[in-house]
Amino acid sequence: GENVEQHPSTLSVQEGDSAVIKCTYSDSASNYFPWYKQELGKRPQLIIDIRSNVGEKKDQRIAVTLNKTAKHFSLHITETQPEDSAVYFCAAIFPGGYNKLIFGAGTRLAVHP
Amino acid sequence: EPEVTQTPSHQVTQMGQEVILRCVPISNHLYFYWYRQILGQKVEFLVSFYNNEISEKSEIFDDQFSVERPDGSNFTLKIRSTKLEDSAMYFCASSDRTGTGNEKLFFGSGTQLSVL
Repeated sequence: GENVEQHPSTLSVQEGDSAVIKCTYSDSASNYFPWYKQELGKRPQLIIDIRSNVGEKKDQRIAVTLNKTAKHFSLHITETQPEDSAVYFCAAIFPGGYNKLIFGAGTRLAVHP
Repeated sequence: EPEVTQTPSHQVTQMGQEVILRCVPISNHLYFYWYRQILGQKVEFLVSFYNNEISEKSEIFDDQFSVERPDGSNFTLKIRSTKLEDSAMYFCASSDRTGTGNEKLFFGSGTQLSVL
């Protein structure tokens, strides 16, 4: 079935450290993988995305890597800051033609000063 | 920057009552979605809508749920007879088109539904 697994569920780091969140997806035909950041009580905000024809993408302190063979993708945040504290969701589009996103269970990231 | 807007931001209702959640997608978008998020859990797909009809729906989207695009701008989610377990944050989203390079979904700020 359509499934996205995300680990860890919680992650606590010291300011300045790196954080890595990992996801796997079930359908090898999935071709688009966004990451969303959600602060308490707010909407999910797209922070970075990657398509299946690319192995890695960077945007300042954020990077995403994709391993299509393993059906695995990861979010890397370097030089973490307290304002990075939030819940992060990975997602994958499942084929069907209508951009249906299936989300992972989320990772609560806490960055301690 | 264009945004998806949702009203109301909070809705409190009694069990068994009908509720309508409203959304105004981004104006040139063609694909519309409802998602829900129970407190502390992940965002779950409910339904997608294109060309004035449902294109896909999840197991959650049973006969108590319906969607409608009553005019050129609004997109609504109706829950006919609310249950306690319908309490959640409901997010509307829209997308310009499908296909490579056009997959981005834009989410509204959500309606927090509380069923008492």
